[in-house]
Amino acid sequence: GENVEQHPSTLSVQEGDSAVIKCTYSDSASNYFPWYKQELGKRPQLIIDIRSNVGEKKDQRIAVTLNKTAKHFSLHITETQPEDSAVYFCAASSRNTGNQFYFGTGTSLTVIP
Amino acid sequence: SAVISQKPSRDICQRGTSLTIQCQVDSQVTMMFWYRQQPGQSLTLIATANQGSEATYESGFVIDKFPISRPNLTFSTLTVSNMSPEDSSIYLCSVSIDEQFFGPGTRLTVL
Repeated sequence: GENVEQHPSTLSVQEGDSAVIKCTYSDSASNYFPWYKQELGKRPQLIIDIRSNVGEKKDQRIAVTLNKTAKHFSLHITETQPEDSAVYFCAASSRNTGNQFYFGTGTSLTVIP
Repeated sequence: SAVISQKPSRDICQRGTSLTIQCQVDSQVTMMFWYRQQPGQSLTLIATANQGSEATYESGFVIDKFPISRPNLTFSTLTVSNMSPEDSSIYLCSVSIDEQFFGPGTRLTVL
């Protein structure tokens, strides 16, 4: 099955700085890569996603890049704010394997005011 | 989008007992997914519940321990059987409609 690795496990940045979280995946059939934000005690919420036919996608302060050849994708958060503090999970999925989502190990992001 | 509810939201159970978690979706979906999230950990897929067929389990999870029902396209149950403290976790159901939506989770504590 799919194996998703995520780095770093913890990340602290000063407010206003950028944060980058990286993931790699193993299954070349994976073609959908979402990112989730999970605040303490809450369910994961989708913040951005990218499909394998696109190399980059941006939504305001959040962007995701995908390198299919190298099988890695990254989340970029610019101008970080304290409310960005949360745990972020990457995931990989393939409709070929029934849409199961396999998650990375998570990154705990702390934005220091 | 999809609205997903789960029951119970939390429970405290004794070792050796079983708990059935219910998941209800507000739209018909072919597949429903059950995840486990242990404290401070990531989400681990337990199984995929297909309507009209047996659930498909991921490596490390077996039907005897986590029996699943899927009686219709909007409902599923996950039973955690013969519980031990290691089963203490949050259990989430999920559906995939363009994106993946999660239920609020069931926080299980086994004493």
